[in-house]
Amino acid sequence: KQEVTQIPAALSVPEGENLVLNCSFTDSAIYNLQWFRQDPGKGLTSLLLIQSSQREQTSGRLNASLDKSSGRSTLYIAASQPGDSATYLCAVRPGDSNYQLIWGAGTKLIIKP
Amino acid sequence: DTAVSQTPKYLVTQMGNDKSIKCEQNLGHDTMYWYKQDSKKFLKIMFSYNNKELIINETVPNRFSPKSPDKAHLNLHINSLELGDSAVYFCASSQKITGGMNTEAFFGQGTRLTVV
Repeated sequence: KQEVTQIPAALSVPEGENLVLNCSFTDSAIYNLQWFRQDPGKGLTSLLLIQSSQREQTSGRLNASLDKSSGRSTLYIAASQPGDSATYLCAVRPGDSNYQLIWGAGTKLIIKP
Repeated sequence: DTAVSQTPKYLVTQMGNDKSIKCEQNLGHDTMYWYKQDSKKFLKIMFSYNNKELIINETVPNRFSPKSPDKAHLNLHINSLELGDSAVYFCASSQKITGGMNTEAFFGQGTRLTVV
């Protein structure tokens, strides 16, 4: 059964720092992996989608990598800003159950001005 | 333009009532989902539909009944609401493509249900 873990559960860093959020999954048979952002009381915003055949995706200051064989993905945020404060969630679309996403519990990120 | 829209955004109701949450997507997707986010912020799949056909029905009480009148809509009806049903419910959509894969999922803003 696919399980997704995100470490750390919470992270607080000063503005301007580069940071890495981690996501690991137990079954490497996935179709894709998606990173989301959730602001308090708000919905889920898709940040990056990595297909199983890809190694990384970039969008602005965000870079997500995928190492399927080791069951790991990282989300790299460059030059962090207070507006980046949110909960970051990763979700995998498993290979044996294409019609759902399996979610990590999220990393709550606080960027201090 | 809102891609996936849910109504209402907030819902406060008494135990035992019946309520519905509506979801519509204008992305032209053929797959829609309902997810539940509990108090610990953990998201779990409840239902998924492809072309109005039920694909996934997780271990959800049969008080929850999804209805998909067309590909663009997936509504969630809940009977005899209980305190434990309090959560945030998210609707989402994606597109099934050649090879059977589903593309990037897009989510609504969520419906915060509080049962008192």
